[in-house]
Amino acid sequence: AQTVTQSQPEMSVQEAETVTLSCTYDTSESDYYLFWYKQPPSRQMILVIRQEAYKQQNATENRFSVNFQKAAKSFSLKISDSQLGDAAMYFCAYRSESPSNTGKLIFGQGTTLQVKP
Amino acid sequence: KAGVTQTPRYLIKTRGQQVTLSCSPISGHRSVSWYQQTPGQGLQFLFEYFSETQRNKGNFPGRFSGRQFSNSRSEMNVSTLELGDSALYLCASSHDTYEHYGYTFGSGTRLTVV
Repeated sequence: AQTVTQSQPEMSVQEAETVTLSCTYDTSESDYYLFWYKQPPSRQMILVIRQEAYKQQNATENRFSVNFQKAAKSFSLKISDSQLGDAAMYFCAYRSESPSNTGKLIFGQGTTLQVKP
Repeated sequence: KAGVTQTPRYLIKTRGQQVTLSCSPISGHRSVSWYQQTPGQGLQFLFEYFSETQRNKGNFPGRFSGRQFSNSRSEMNVSTLELGDSALYLCASSHDTYEHYGYTFGSGTRLTVV
């Protein structure tokens, strides 16, 4: 069974600075997808960025980028130029390519990010 | 384009009762997944429906059930509520063909069992 681990329960960053959130996962599969979701106090999970395992190039979305290390099973999220609105809980998630796992995301325990003005 | 709508936002139920939660996916999305979020267990997958059929199921007791209608709206039912069922219940929808693009979540239903 696949597992996702986020080892940092809480992180803090100064506004305009850069922060990296860690995520590791365990799987025996070669094809899968990885996601970072953000959950602000409004509770709605918002997709931040996604990565296909077959792509070696790291995904980037504006101020958000990932460092995907497939061999190490590591998927970290870097937030550049942090803004107050980035404060939220961040979840790393794994989705298997297997048809038997359709619709299922496996989440890490989350990292609460605090942004200090 | 309307997002994923979950109703109600909040619910308070008594132990032993049953509850039904509703989720309306984004127009055109035929896959709906349900998750339970608690501080202790985190986010756990309940089940996924596609075209009115349950395609996948998580490790939850049979008290948790769901269904999907022809318009892709989905309902989740929990019978014989227990205190431990208190949680935020989230649903997510996706376009099946582009499922790997990610899932769009609703704002959830906060269920409190007393």
